[in-house]
Amino acid sequence: RKEVEQDPGPFNVPEGATVAFNCTYSNSASQSFFWYRQDCRKEPKLLMSVYSSGNEDGRFTAQLNRASQYISLLIRDSKLSDSATYLCAPRDSGAGSYQLTFGKGTKLSVIP
Amino acid sequence: SQTIHQWPATLVQPVGSPLSLECTVEGTSNPNLYWYRQAAGRGLQLLFYSVGIGQISSEVPQNLSASRPQDRQFILSSKKLLLSDSGFYLCAWRGGYEQYFGPGTRLTVT
Repeated sequence: RKEVEQDPGPFNVPEGATVAFNCTYSNSASQSFFWYRQDCRKEPKLLMSVYSSGNEDGRFTAQLNRASQYISLLIRDSKLSDSATYLCAPRDSGAGSYQLTFGKGTKLSVIP
Repeated sequence: SQTIHQWPATLVQPVGSPLSLECTVEGTSNPNLYWYRQAAGRGLQLLFYSVGIGQISSEVPQNLSASRPQDRQFILSSKKLLLSDSGFYLCAWRGGYEQYFGPGTRLTVT
């Protein structure tokens, strides 16, 4: 059974703080991973793709630990606008498999 | 650039009534298309996906069905809604390995 586990939070952090979320996955053959951001009552929006050991985009860094089967998302210098739910989604394994399995998300609240 | 549309944005339907949700994609041809449902307090659940016209794969057995009558159109239907069908219905298209979501339809079954 394919499973993706995320700490639901909420993570309440002050502006300017650094915060990290973990996402564990059960399918050891997953090759690529995605982080999505979902604002309240809106659709998920792609934040970052991870195809190798990690990826960095500005204040956001994703790191993959294949041995322990988790992927983390680090947000530096948190902004109020970072408040959202962050969804992790590994891509199912297998040639031509394009299906994603989503975690339930981690809620982040950045406090002034 | 690619754009994905969904309608209606919100819907309130009584139990036992039919359902039809529409999703259309612009700016790409023959995309893989997906229907997801996000129920309150739950994660995104893949309902159906389609790799082409008339090709539908069902992930979860239920009282919903999907159709793809045109290359860039994906429809989610039900003949009789259940209370448990309430949720946020999201359509997505695949670009590379990534999936991109439409604005969603929020369905409340009363």
